[in-house]
Amino acid sequence: NFMLTQPHSVSESPGKTVTISCTRSSGSIASNYVQWYQQRPGSSPTTVIYEDNQRPSGVPDRFSGSIDSSSNSASLTISGLKTEDEADYYCQSYDSSSLWVFGGGTKLTVL
Amino acid sequence: QVQLQESGPGLVKPSETLSLTCTVSGYSISSGYYWGWIRQPPGKGLEWIGSIYHSGSTYYNPSLKSRVTISVDTSKNQFSLKLSSVTAADTAVYYCACSTVTFFDYWGQGTLVTVSS
Repeated sequence: NFMLTQPHSVSESPGKTVTISCTRSSGSIASNYVQWYQQRPGSSPTTVIYEDNQRPSGVPDRFSGSIDSSSNSASLTISGLKTEDEADYYCQSYDSSSLWVFGGGTKLTVL
Repeated sequence: QVQLQESGPGLVKPSETLSLTCTVSGYSISSGYYWGWIRQPPGKGLEWIGSIYHSGSTYYNPSLKSRVTISVDTSKNQFSLKLSSVTAADTAVYYCACSTVTFFDYWGQGTLVTVSS
């Protein structure tokens, strides 16, 4: 079984760039795709990145995803921050033993 | 566009069984996808509970496996969750969702279930 660890919170100013990390506890981060979900208060999660770095239609290209095998982690980068980006962000991955696993979530504050 | 809607009691007594149904529209459950349940305790993160493949194969979170049953009714285009022996720790917003083998593509709006006497 593996876990995904995210920072509890990050903050940045409008117009800046922020990166949220997601570190896999065991097994290779590259062995299974990583997804990122955005959850605004009172709403269901929506996908902003799937399969490591793919954006669903309608998600602006300010959102990008990557993986880094050297740190066994995935990252979500949001550039040109807007106040509307303020939300909780969750990473998620999958493997055949742990099945679907979510990270603990990161609260993004845009101030 | 796939749409999902959870339904079921909002209040369950401790030690009883929580039962929820997810009604799917815009897509036939028997056509594909995994159909799953995810929960979120108040102020906390997301936890995958379990999923069922359109063929009927089930997959459960090991930490909840002994208490969870997920089933599908293709005639009604619905799938259901049963969680037995609930405690206050099971109080959460419960979401139904459909997924590929890797990620959750469509989500319901969620339903709050409170465990209290």
